[in-house]
Amino acid sequence: KNQVEQSPQSLIILEGKNCTLQCNYTVSPFSNLRWYKQDTGRGPVSLTIMTFSENTKSNGRYTATLDADTKQSSLHITASQLSDSASYICVVSPDAGNNRKLIWGLGTSLAVNP
Amino acid sequence: ETGVTQTPRHLVMGMTNKKSLKCEQHLGHNAMYWYKQSAKKPLELMFVYSLEERVENNSVPSRFSPECPNSSHLFLHLHTLQPEDSALYLCASSQIRSGVLFFGEGSRLTVL
Repeated sequence: KNQVEQSPQSLIILEGKNCTLQCNYTVSPFSNLRWYKQDTGRGPVSLTIMTFSENTKSNGRYTATLDADTKQSSLHITASQLSDSASYICVVSPDAGNNRKLIWGLGTSLAVNP
Repeated sequence: ETGVTQTPRHLVMGMTNKKSLKCEQHLGHNAMYWYKQSAKKPLELMFVYSLEERVENNSVPSRFSPECPNSSHLFLHLHTLQPEDSALYLCASSQIRSGVLFFGEGSRLTVL
C-alpha cells in the first residue's frame, strides 16, 4: 500500500535552534517528493520538489534531502524563526505531471518558541 | 499572495442550506483542484479539472457538486451537508505537466 509517514508528529524548539523533520515512504513507482509548509488556517505553500536523481535541495533556511534507495527524506530547518511555526507536509508522487495520484503525509507540527 | 483566491474564507451553514465556495486563479494554469482537509487526516483530493474536463474522485458524496466554467474559475456547490463535512476546503491550481500545486488560503466550513 502506498504510504507516506512523517515523524515526529509534533515538535517544539527554541528560536534560533535547528531541527530536522523526517519522511518515510512506501510509494512505488516513484517520481518526485515534495515538502509543503502550511501555516495554521492557511493553504500549503511549496518549499521544495525533488526527483529521483536529486539528493539535496535548498530553499533559504530549508534544506531537503532524499535517499531514494532507503525511501527516506528529511527537511532541515536552520536557525529557526518564530514564523517557521507551521505544519510541514511531505508528499510523494508516483507519476510525473499527474497530481491526481499524490500521496500525502499527515504532517509534522512545528512550534518555535521565543 | 499565491495567485489563487478563495471565497468565502469562513462559512457556517445548516444541514438544509445550499451554498457555494468560489476559487479563482491568476496564474495561467490549466488544471484546478478541490481538496478537503480534516483534522488528523491527510489531504483528500475531491475533484480535478484538467483543461476544463472533470476527473472525479468516486468517493465524494453527491452533496458536493463542482463547476468549472473556465480555466480560471472553480466552484464547489454544497447542499444538504452533514456535520462530518466540516473541514478546510482548499482550492489549488497547476500546469498539467508541472508538479507544483499552488493553493488558495482555504475556506473553513462548519456544518451545524
